Amino acid sequence: GNSVTQMEGPVTLSEEAFLTINCTYTATGYPSLFWYVQYPGEGLQLLLKATKADDKGSNKGFEATYRKETTSFHLEKGSVQVSDSAVYFCALSDRSSASKIIFGSGTRLSIRP
Amino acid sequence: GAGVSQTPSNKVTEKGKYVELRCDPISGHTALYWYRQSLGQGPEFLIYFQGTGAADDSGLPNDRFFAVRPEGSVSTLKIQRTERGDSAVYLCASSETSVSYNEQFFGPGTRLTVL
Repeated sequence: GNSVTQMEGPVTLSEEAFLTINCTYTATGYPSLFWYVQYPGEGLQLLLKATKADDKGSNKGFEATYRKETTSFHLEKGSVQVSDSAVYFCALSDRSSASKIIFGSGTRLSIRP
Repeated sequence: GAGVSQTPSNKVTEKGKYVELRCDPISGHTALYWYRQSLGQGPEFLIYFQGTGAADDSGLPNDRFFAVRPEGSVSTLKIQRTERGDSAVYLCASSETSVSYNEQFFGPGTRLTVL
């Protein structure tokens, strides 16, 4: 069945550091891929998405590229800020499974000033 | 406009009791999803509605769990004979349609604690 595996946390970085959170997936079809973010005390929000191979999703300085050959969707940001501290979830959705979202277990990111 | 709302925000109940959790989706969204998020985990799919009908209930853990959406808008998740293992945050999401690349908008969740 479909699944998502992402880097375990917590991840602690200093402000302005480079961020990578690894994510790989297993899917039988051609899924859409997502990164969701959960800020402290808030609900899940879509951060970015990519719907086909080689697409790059981007938002708020974050980027992720849909790599079909390596079944990966790694999240990157060139210079993190304290306000980026949150839990990040990699996820996929596949039309063959009624578009329900399959989430990874989440990566907690903390940024030190 | 208003986002997805869920009530109550917190629910504490005793083992064996019945609970109902409500979800009010974004107006006009035809697809509605319920997920359950245990501590330190990602959300797990429970059930999906397209309009009034449950199109996929494969994620419901057992027959103590049931959900309805009688008029194609508000949905209620019902849990009978609650157990301590049911304690989690229950999330509702809605989207314009069920197409896989459509964004699902999540509510703030209901935190259920079973004592």
